[in-house]
Parts: sequence; structure tokens; C-alpha cells
Amino acid sequence: DAGITQSPRHKVTETGTPVTLRCHQTENHRYMYWYRQDPGHGLRLIHYSYGVKDTDKGEVSDGYSVSRSKTEDFLLTLESATSSQTSVYFCAISRQGADTEAFFGQGTRLTVV
Amino acid sequence: SQQGEEDPQALSIQEGENATMNCSYKTSINNLQWYRQNSGRGLVHLILIRSNEREKHSGRLRVTLDTSKKSSSLLITASRAADTASYFCATDASGGSYIPTFGRGTSLIVHP
Repeated sequence: DAGITQSPRHKVTETGTPVTLRCHQTENHRYMYWYRQDPGHGLRLIHYSYGVKDTDKGEVSDGYSVSRSKTEDFLLTLESATSSQTSVYFCAISRQGADTEAFFGQGTRLTVV
Repeated sequence: SQQGEEDPQALSIQEGENATMNCSYKTSINNLQWYRQNSGRGLVHLILIRSNEREKHSGRLRVTLDTSKKSSSLLITASRAADTASYFCATDASGGSYIPTFGRGTSLIVHP
């Protein structure tokens, strides 16, 4: 299995609180992605990174921010969690370019109450 | 919006039968990939097919790509109960860098 770890694996938080999810890789892959998975929507891209300090928005970026200060770590922050952000969050990594497969973490189940 | 859309949304078959899933997409692509997701787990890469390829095999998997119809199919032959999972296609959403864009998936149940 590719060396990719998400933490925490499960979290329950209250509406309005900030939450940070961490993705850590040991593969030295250039690209890192954050997706959320919801019933009926499949996987939707939140943010991605193509290098240290290089990030960009995905399809559903509102309410989320990211940071990548090191190659191996990609943080996803919910500034003020809302119930609509209850979801399963997946981090993925890929080397680069059009011929590369993505490797996924095990997911973080976040519940906002 | 999703770039790729899988069809059918759900598929239920008996062990030993073949399972076929389809993926349609909207814009030109560099490649198309198929992934499997077991319940409660992350996605696992199955196969990648480039835009200049028409067919690719990997074990019991056969993938075809028709760029003129903007569609791909995944065939699983002689299915097993362990093939029960959701299957997703992913395409690159923009030229240059590779940003995987996933469809909603096909849920496959293989009955023993």
C-alpha cells in the first residue's frame, strides 16, 4: 500500500468550531488532493496541491482552506464547521502528469452536530 | 459537476457472471482510469487507459475506450463475491496537470 495516512479517522465536532484534517505521505509525490464523498454525489474535489505552497481550488472549495508547507503534509481546514460539511473526506496523492494513478488514504469520517 | 458518469448506478449479479459498467464523459481527455472502493475504505486504482488506446486488460478486467463517443466500459469476467464494491471512473479535468475527476460510481453486488 502507498504510504498515505489520514488523521483523525473519525471526528465529531460542533457547528462553528474549526477543524483540521491531516494527510501525510511518505511517497514524495508531487500532487495531493482532498475530496469529500457524499451519497449521490460520488467524490468531489475540494482543493489540491501541485507542490509545496502551491494549491488551488476544486469544485466544492467554499468553507475550506488548505496548506502545504512540506511535501509530505497536506492540511484541510474547516474554518467554521457547518452541518453540510458532515461527510467522509479522502486524501489522495499522485506523482504528476497525465499517466499517473492516484493513491487514496483510508478516509476521515467527520460529523458536525 | 462530474466529468464522468457511470452507468448503471447499481448492478446485482450472480457469482460467475460477467459485470459490465460504463462511463461517459463530457470533454476531451488524456486518459481514463477505473477505481474500486470497498465499503468504508479508500479507492484503489484498477487500470489506466490512455486516449490513444482502445482496449486494455488486467487479469479478469477488460477496459475499452471510445473517444469518438466519449465513453469507456469496464468488464469484470467470471465475477466473485469479493468483487462486490463500488466502481468509479476518473478522467483528467484539464489539460496540463492531472486532476482526477470522478463520477458517482456503480455499486456492484455479486451474490455467492
